[in-house]
Amino acid sequence: DQQVKQNSPSLSVQEGRISILNCDYTNSMFDYFLWYKKYPAEGPTFLISISSIKDKNEDGRFTVFLNKSAKHLSLHIVPSQPGDSAVYFCAASGFHNQGGKLIFGQGTELSVKP
Amino acid sequence: KAGVTQTPRYLIKTRGQQVTLSCSPISGHRSVSWYQQTPGQGLQFLFEYFSETQRNKGNFPGRFSGRQFSNSRSEMNVSTLELGDSALYLCASSFGTQANEKLFFGSGTQLSVL
Repeated sequence: DQQVKQNSPSLSVQEGRISILNCDYTNSMFDYFLWYKKYPAEGPTFLISISSIKDKNEDGRFTVFLNKSAKHLSLHIVPSQPGDSAVYFCAASGFHNQGGKLIFGQGTELSVKP
Repeated sequence: KAGVTQTPRYLIKTRGQQVTLSCSPISGHRSVSWYQQTPGQGLQFLFEYFSETQRNKGNFPGRFSGRQFSNSRSEMNVSTLELGDSALYLCASSFGTQANEKLFFGSGTQLSVL
């Protein structure tokens, strides 16, 4: 069963607009969530994280929102830039570390058009 | 500080062969995790090692195995290769075993099984 889901395989956004990437999870034991960014032929790189005790975390153009009751998190990129075009993975971690240190979603490919 | 190093970057094998992939973690990191990435499936957890001991294992057949050496370097082995094993294999390291830790990824080994 997929404990972390990214239901949109792809997203296309115009440069300068907002990009919103969504992620849902099923395990209420998850207490730490991360977003990774991946370019082709490279490994994923850490982007931003949020603990379950918070509902928002910002880092420059990137903001992650967590809605625990809905088991949903989202990544907002404002403004979007062509260099943001990549695959974005959300990941979750829980105390019991079941299924690995981090459990990843399927990824969403973001394309930012000039 | 050098990042996570994976070798080789590319491999081409035929069905039935076996393959060994290598991973050198970031200096000082003692935990190594392996993931398989295929299109549409995201990152699937293979196994995690800490201090030469396997701590956690994903839902992969016994053909997939791994080990970790005293210097924290890790190898994974896939025996009797199948076409479906074609994927990007990613290694990630972290300092310890805490659940809420970022993983640092290598660039991966792209395995093609013909």
